[in-house]
Amino acid sequence: KNEVEQSPQNLTAQEGEFITINCSYSVGISALHWLQQHPGGGIVSLFMLSSGKKKHGRLIATINIQEKHSSLHITASHPRDSAVYICAVPFTSNQFYFGTGTSLTVIP
Amino acid sequence: DVKVTQSSRYLVKRTGEKVFLECVQDMDHENMFWYRQDPGLGLRLIYFSYDVKMKEKGDIPEGYSVSREKKERFSLILESASTNQTSMYLCASAWIGSGNTIYFGEGSWLTVV
Repeated sequence: KNEVEQSPQNLTAQEGEFITINCSYSVGISALHWLQQHPGGGIVSLFMLSSGKKKHGRLIATINIQEKHSSLHITASHPRDSAVYICAVPFTSNQFYFGTGTSLTVIP
Repeated sequence: DVKVTQSSRYLVKRTGEKVFLECVQDMDHENMFWYRQDPGLGLRLIYFSYDVKMKEKGDIPEGYSVSREKKERFSLILESASTNQTSMYLCASAWIGSGNTIYFGEGSWLTVV
């Protein structure tokens, strides 16, 4: 049973395309995190959000708490956006559930 | 900027060897975590610690132990490495509280031969 489901698992896009990655979760949460991992690299936090929408450059994250769903959008995608994107939700003050990640490849 | 530093980026060890993976964070976080990451399985929690000398088992603690003697340092120990422990190991830290950001290290690639 996965408390956090991401889709799609893999995504290939042409440079400049608009990209959407989805995350659904089954537990009650106070906040949801979007994380990014470049090939061979560590993981960095992109967003933490508990309601509405957040924007950082070409990245936009939205969350609907009632529907238990979040989306990460990338506008005008670029090859440097190629990475694994991971959705994470805390379920205690110490622990997180993680999605298995969406592997994005942006082709020039 | 928060920094989580893992001591070794790449290691190759022999079956049966004892392996130490060290992690240091510089933000006075109470929580520290060790995860392993395998293709198709995502991040799986091995152990976490919410205070000095305190530890809790995660989802896959078998074959691992941990040590937290100082707040900033959390070590993962493989008492007798086996080939099925070949993986990417990620350390993370965070303040207590479900609304806080989690910070990860760069990861340690361990190959057991």
